[in-house]
Amino acid sequence: EAQVTQNPRYLITVTGKKLTVTCSQNMNHEYMSWYRQDPGLGLRQIYYSMNVEVTDKGDVPEGYKVSRKEKRNFPLILESPSPNQTSLYFCAIGDRATGELFFGEGSRLTVL
Amino acid sequence: EDQVTQSPEALRLQEGESSSLNCSYTVSGLRGLFWYRQDPGKGPEFLFTLYSAGEEKEKERLKATLTKKESFLHITAPKPEDSATYLCAVQNNQGGKLIFGQGTELSVKP
Repeated sequence: EAQVTQNPRYLITVTGKKLTVTCSQNMNHEYMSWYRQDPGLGLRQIYYSMNVEVTDKGDVPEGYKVSRKEKRNFPLILESPSPNQTSLYFCAIGDRATGELFFGEGSRLTVL
Repeated sequence: EDQVTQSPEALRLQEGESSSLNCSYTVSGLRGLFWYRQDPGKGPEFLFTLYSAGEEKEKERLKATLTKKESFLHITAPKPEDSATYLCAVQNNQGGKLIFGQGTELSVKP
C-alpha cells in the first residue's frame, strides 16, 4: 500500500524563519506534488515533480521552493515564511495520468 | 480557464436517506474527472475516475456518473461512516494538473 510520510505534522513558526516540510514515499512513483488547502479555496497545487530533477510550478508557487534530488523525497521549502502561508499542506504521489493520487496525512503550518 | 464547482457546500442526511452531490465543470477538453473522499484531519482518499460522458462507476453505496458538463455522486442508503467531505477534480487533455472543487461536506446522522 502506498504510503506518503510528511514531517512535521504540526508546526508553529514566526515570520521569516526558514523551514522545510519533508515528504517521502515508500513506492516508486515518479509523480509527486504539493498542495495547500485553505477554507473556501479548496486544494491548490503549489509545485509538482514528474521525476528526479524535474519540477514545475503549480497554481500558487510564490514563496515556496522544492527539490527532487532523489525519487522518494520531495521537500517543500519556505525560505521566508509569511502569515499568508498559514495553511494545511499535503504531499501527494501517484499516477497523474489516471488521477489516482495518494495523499499524505497533512502538515498544519502556522506562521505568526 | 478550467473550473470546478461543487454543490451543495454542505449536506445533512438521515441514515438511509439517499441523495446526490453535484460537480459542475468547465475544462478545455476533459481527460478525466476524479472523486475523492476526505475525512477530518486526513488527506483525500481516491474514489473514482471517470473519462467520458455516460460512464458510471460504483463502490459500495457510492455511484459516480458523468455528463459533458457535470458529474454526480449518488449516495444510496448512507450510513454515518459515509460522513466526510467529498472532493471532485478535473484534468484537461493536455495532461495538466488536477483542478479541485471546494468540496461537499456530508453529514449522515443515525
